[in-house]
Amino acid sequence: SYVLTQPPSVSVTPGKTTRITCGGNNIGSKSVYWYQQKPGQAPVLVIYYDSHRPSEIPDRFSGSNSGNTATLTISRVEAGDEADYYCQVWDSSSDHPYVFGTGTKVTVL
Amino acid sequence: QVQLQESGPGLLKPSETLSLTCGVTGDSISGSFWSWIRQPPGKGLEWIGYIHDSGHTNFNPSLKSRVIISLDTSKNQFSLKVTAVIPADTAVYYCARVRGGSASYFDLWGRGTLVTVSS
Repeated sequence: SYVLTQPPSVSVTPGKTTRITCGGNNIGSKSVYWYQQKPGQAPVLVIYYDSHRPSEIPDRFSGSNSGNTATLTISRVEAGDEADYYCQVWDSSSDHPYVFGTGTKVTVL
Repeated sequence: QVQLQESGPGLLKPSETLSLTCGVTGDSISGSFWSWIRQPPGKGLEWIGYIHDSGHTNFNPSLKSRVIISLDTSKNQFSLKVTAVIPADTAVYYCARVRGGSASYFDLWGRGTLVTVSS
C-alpha cells in the first residue's frame, strides 16, 4: 500500500516560519490533506486539495504539492500552533484508499 | 453547527465485541459518507471504514473481517462494531464526516472515545 513519510518532529521559534514535509511516491499526482491534532483533542482539517484552507483556518497555514513531496507551511508561528500534524492522501487505486502520514510533532520553543 | 459525538463502552475484555455509535447533529447523515478512524495511544491515525446511506461500505483490509459499519437515518447516527477484540484494538476511536468529490478527506471529526481492551 501507499506510504507517506513525515519527519517525527520539528522545532520553531515564535514568529518564524516552519515547513512540514510529507513524502510519497509521485505524491504530486494526488490530492493531499493536512490535519492538526492538539494534545487530547481530535484532528482538525487545516488544508484540503493540496492548498485550500477551510474558512476557519488562519491564512498563516498554506500547502503545496509537487513531485514526491507535499509541504505544509506555517508562517508567523504562534504558541497555539504546537501540535501533531498529519498528512493524508486518497489512493483511488488501492483497497486501502485513506492513507495517513506518520505524523510530525511541532514544538514551539 | 455540525457536531459528531461518539458513545459506547470504554472497557472490553479480549474476544468481546466493540460497539460504538456516532450521533450527528446539525446535518443529515443522508447523502454523505461517514467514517470511523482510530488512534492507538501515542501512535498515528488508522482508517477503519466508511458507509454511505446508499448502503455502500468500504473497509481497511486489515480489519475487514471483523468490522461492521451501519447507519440509522431515523436516529441520524451511524455505528461501528469490531468483533473478537484484542489488546491491539485499544485506541481512541473517532467518527468523521467524509468530503470531497471522491469522498477523499475528513472535514469534521467527533471528539473521540477511548476504548481499552484488557483482561
